[in-house]
Amino acid sequence: NAGVTQTPKFRILKIGQSMTLQCTQDMNHNYMYWYRQDPGMGLKLIYYSVGAGITDKGEVPNGYNVSRSTTEDFPLRLELAAPSQTSVYFCASRNKQGTRVGSNQPQHFGDGTRLSIL
Amino acid sequence: GQNIDQPTEMTATEGAIVQINCTYQTSGFNGLFWYQQHAGEAPTFLSYNVLDGLEEKGRFSSFLSRSKGYSYLLLKELQMKDSASYLCAVRDMQDSNYQLIWGAGTKLIIKP
Repeated sequence: NAGVTQTPKFRILKIGQSMTLQCTQDMNHNYMYWYRQDPGMGLKLIYYSVGAGITDKGEVPNGYNVSRSTTEDFPLRLELAAPSQTSVYFCASRNKQGTRVGSNQPQHFGDGTRLSIL
Repeated sequence: GQNIDQPTEMTATEGAIVQINCTYQTSGFNGLFWYQQHAGEAPTFLSYNVLDGLEEKGRFSSFLSRSKGYSYLLLKELQMKDSASYLCAVRDMQDSNYQLIWGAGTKLIIKP
């Protein structure tokens, strides 16, 4: 029962460095999401994907990129790290919305990646 | 606009009952979720409401009033392990992909 797996759990970057946050899920979920969570703030959607090969911007996409080459994997790329990107990053997935309006398909979260940019 | 409001922090006593409120304003409504998040951990799903009324699940219950844009999470027989943040999230029907709009969360502190 792995669910949603994120790596690494912690990382410290220098300003201007790049890195990829990995996310994989084994539940065959169509939808995947990347959020950032700053202290005292709600989850902010960075990017999401409704299926392999399809991605779209969320609320705060600047400074990030994603790809979705397979159903399982949804990596998040930081090209030029900035101090404002210091945050906790969560990846989530959910099954496709049912045909009945209002059907319950909750998001399942990974354990998060704690990223500091110094 | 879209907005979700929750109290920032609440304190309650072990064994007691606490109600955490959530008010929302969205363009369309397609369900409200409550998640629990322990410090340093991922959010985990607690409950889902799409119709008016009370949904009970063990010690936790969640209530929804769509006409008032209001929900609450009721926690009974509080235990120390219930100390966590509780996140309210609304699914906006206007977005065809049914994105969630998240509140900032309510930090619940349980005292012995």
